[in-house]
Amino acid sequence: QQPVQSPQAVILREGEDAVINCSSSKALYSVHWYRQKHGEAPVFLMILLKGGEQKGHDKISASFNEKKQQSSLYLTASQLSYSGTYFCGTEREDRGSTLGRLYFGRGTQLTVWP
Amino acid sequence: SAVISQKPSRDICQRGTSLTIQCQVDSQVTMMFWYRQQPGQSLTLIATANQGSEATYESGFVIDKFPISRPNLTFSTLTVSNLSPEDSSIYLCSVVALTKNIQYFGAGTRLSVL
Repeated sequence: QQPVQSPQAVILREGEDAVINCSSSKALYSVHWYRQKHGEAPVFLMILLKGGEQKGHDKISASFNEKKQQSSLYLTASQLSYSGTYFCGTEREDRGSTLGRLYFGRGTQLTVWP
Repeated sequence: SAVISQKPSRDICQRGTSLTIQCQVDSQVTMMFWYRQQPGQSLTLIATANQGSEATYESGFVIDKFPISRPNLTFSTLTVSNLSPEDSSIYLCSVVALTKNIQYFGAGTRLSVL
């Protein structure tokens, strides 16, 4: 029931772009993206709801393909502050009224070098 | 966003003892959850903390080992009982705000069991 994230790790130079993918074998209600820096709490980036539009702010955006149960996070013109581990959390549609329960992928470690 | 206070931030415990972790949020929230994150790993959902009733546990987690209370809308506790070294991990609480379907995480409690 854990979504699959890829790639496991990405190394970038400042200004380069990256894409992180998240896929589930279960029908999803929403996908949540977080960034976690070492020793800190996960920080919410964005949520994509079933039937919603592609979201984005600043140079980070994401999409959700409901038919394929896949989501992608797009990081453009990366900055040093983007370094960290990115997790997708999936909210399954089959859990009915118990929405809010998130199942996380293994994470993608992103390192941005100057 | 909700401000979450989690205590203690870290603890070292002896095998066979128990540790109770507190989670306090500064505003009323709809849902509260408890997660475990082993070093360098993903987040695993332990249970949903239900106000005034028994928590809902995920597969692999049981009430005797992880008793949870939620006496009101802003406070919850997780107890990790009969500690063993395998319980060494980071435990995080999360909350879902009333107005948005966004889940925020506390800073976590780093538990080491000797």
